[in-house]
Amino acid sequence: GAGVSQSPSNKVTEKGKDVELRCDPISGHTALYWYRQSLGQGLEFLIYFQGNSAPDKSGLPSDRFSAERTGGSVSTLTIQRTQQEDSAVYLCASSLAPRSARARIHFGNGTRLTVT
Amino acid sequence: TQLLEQSPQFLSIQEGENLTVYCNSSSVFSSLQWYRQEPGEGPVLLVTVVTGGEVKKLKRLTFQFGDARKDSSLHITAAQPGDTGLYLCAGARNNDMRFGAGTRLTVKP
Repeated sequence: GAGVSQSPSNKVTEKGKDVELRCDPISGHTALYWYRQSLGQGLEFLIYFQGNSAPDKSGLPSDRFSAERTGGSVSTLTIQRTQQEDSAVYLCASSLAPRSARARIHFGNGTRLTVT
Repeated sequence: TQLLEQSPQFLSIQEGENLTVYCNSSSVFSSLQWYRQEPGEGPVLLVTVVTGGEVKKLKRLTFQFGDARKDSSLHITAAQPGDTGLYLCAGARNNDMRFGAGTRLTVKP
């Protein structure tokens, strides 16, 4: 597609349930990022994928969070046993070039997750 | 505590006014980017500045990177309602990009 596509756009789940968030990056983009945006907070880095390299998972807040990127394209962010503090907008982004000071990052519109 | 502090947090002005928003840090960055985010959408890159003291202009928007590469400002001349949105700065260090919490700008017609 023309841009980064995320689904679903909104997700409401009960505390304790697992959720999966999907990201389709721009075709040909080798770098893929997940960020979390909470009200009044900046974008919090979660995880970064670059080609076939081991992902940078340093931003994942707990072991309930995991992400995969299959075939170097689509990525899924999974949150297990969701908690209310997980409520946020989860943004996926991709870039043609690897992560760097000059990388032009393209964001999707995000998935708004609400944990009740 | 945010690595990048943005001020003001909220700004509401009338159409035609000028404004400046700030992005400050005690850390040095190899580059700094500014994004605008509208409700329900992801951030969109406006500019990247990489040289201390650099000034870039994008129509009515002027971006400046501090001489020490620790801070940046965004100045908008003759603001329009279409400028309404959340303005985020992001600094790059060692290939790690960190974002500020943003300035939420409202331009009233």
